[in-house]
Amino acid sequence: DQQVKQNSPSLSVQEGRISILNCDYTNSMFDYFLWYKKYPAEGPTFLISISSIKDKNEDGRFTVFLNKSAKHLSLHIVPSQPGDSAVYFCAASDTGNQFYFGTGTSLTVIP
Amino acid sequence: DSGVTQTPKHLITATGQRVTLRCSPRSGDLSVYWYQQSLDQGLQFLIQYYNGEERAKGNILERFSAQQFPDLHSELNLSSLELGDSALYFCASSVALGFSHTIYFGEGSWLTVV
Repeated sequence: DQQVKQNSPSLSVQEGRISILNCDYTNSMFDYFLWYKKYPAEGPTFLISISSIKDKNEDGRFTVFLNKSAKHLSLHIVPSQPGDSAVYFCAASDTGNQFYFGTGTSLTVIP
Repeated sequence: DSGVTQTPKHLITATGQRVTLRCSPRSGDLSVYWYQQSLDQGLQFLIQYYNGEERAKGNILERFSAQQFPDLHSELNLSSLELGDSALYFCASSVALGFSHTIYFGEGSWLTVV
């Protein structure tokens, strides 16, 4: 039972444009959400997080939006850079004991 | 560098064998998580320990076991290995339990079962 879903396995974006990565979840008890970036043969690296009391969190070029009613979150990267090419995982947690990960979206930023 | 150290980085072993993966969490982190990533799969949660005690269990096979020692390092034991156990195994750590904390991943241990 996949409680966190990333329905787009891959995404290609031109350099300088906006990248939008989407994530849906099913468990309404999730109250903390994170995005991780992963390069091949490396561990996932924490990017940005958001708690359920907010609907937006921004950190430089990265912004995460949370729509609790739709059980949907998205990661916006503006402007996209070639170095952003990686696999992006979203994750959700209810109690902090378990973190449920999506299957990842592979982002390719085309120079 | 996340501060989470995993050894070995690569391991090739035969079916039916047993291996141990080791993880040292970030300094000060009490909670350790183990995840499995197979080809084209997401990160599957296996098990979590907090300060030496098991806190949560995910899709961990009975052939697998883990423990967290008093110095907080953790080991994941995989036995009676099968070809399908070939995967990247990640350890992650966090400060504590509870709300709004981040988990940090090690670089993973590549296990190939032949």
